Amino acid sequence: NAGVTQTPKFQVLKTGQSMTLQCAQDMNHNSMYWYRQDPGMGLRLIYYSASEGTTDKGEVPNGYNVSRLNKREFSLRLESAAPSQTSVYFCASSERVAGVGTQYFGPGTRLTVL
Amino acid sequence: AQSVAQPEDQVNVAEGNPLTVKCTYSVSGNPYLFWYVQYPNRGLQFLLKYITGDNLVKGSYGFEAEFNKSQTSFHLKKPSALVSDSALYFCAVRVNTGGGNKLTFGTGTQLKVEL
Repeated sequence: NAGVTQTPKFQVLKTGQSMTLQCAQDMNHNSMYWYRQDPGMGLRLIYYSASEGTTDKGEVPNGYNVSRLNKREFSLRLESAAPSQTSVYFCASSERVAGVGTQYFGPGTRLTVL
Repeated sequence: AQSVAQPEDQVNVAEGNPLTVKCTYSVSGNPYLFWYVQYPNRGLQFLLKYITGDNLVKGSYGFEAEFNKSQTSFHLKKPSALVSDSALYFCAVRVNTGGGNKLTFGTGTQLKVEL
């Protein structure tokens, strides 16, 4: 049981390049999330998927797109990378229950945009 | 809008002493509160959560948190700190809109436990 996995672990891009960050979970969770972490700002939600087939914007969606490929996988795409997107990106998943599901996080992708 | 505040960027404590990491919240309705820990170059790990019930919540690694409604606080505590507790700690509150279980995180508190 690997939990939440992310690829790649590290990436360096030039301004204007595109890339896709991959995330997969094996906990049969319905909901998945993408966050970015910047020093002094905590984690900010980029996009989330409450259930398979749905996606919604979070706090900082500009410059990103997402795809919920199936129940297990949720990818984040940068179409034209900018230096402001240099950050550490975390994927998370949770159960979708009437109560409150705990979120479980992947190990992160450290992205540098030159 | 729901939010949490962590007033201290860093907390220093000697090993064996009790530790407290502070968190205050602002929510409409009942708060659902969480604590997570992040070790260097790792993802966040869940420590504990408060949904309802007993104001003292016990979690992983000997941590506990006290929910105080009148003070709108949810401070993280441990009776005896270990050097291995040194990490970045985040408080979070559930955002009660839309689907899923969206969380809003505080800015984090760096805990340093010294010998």
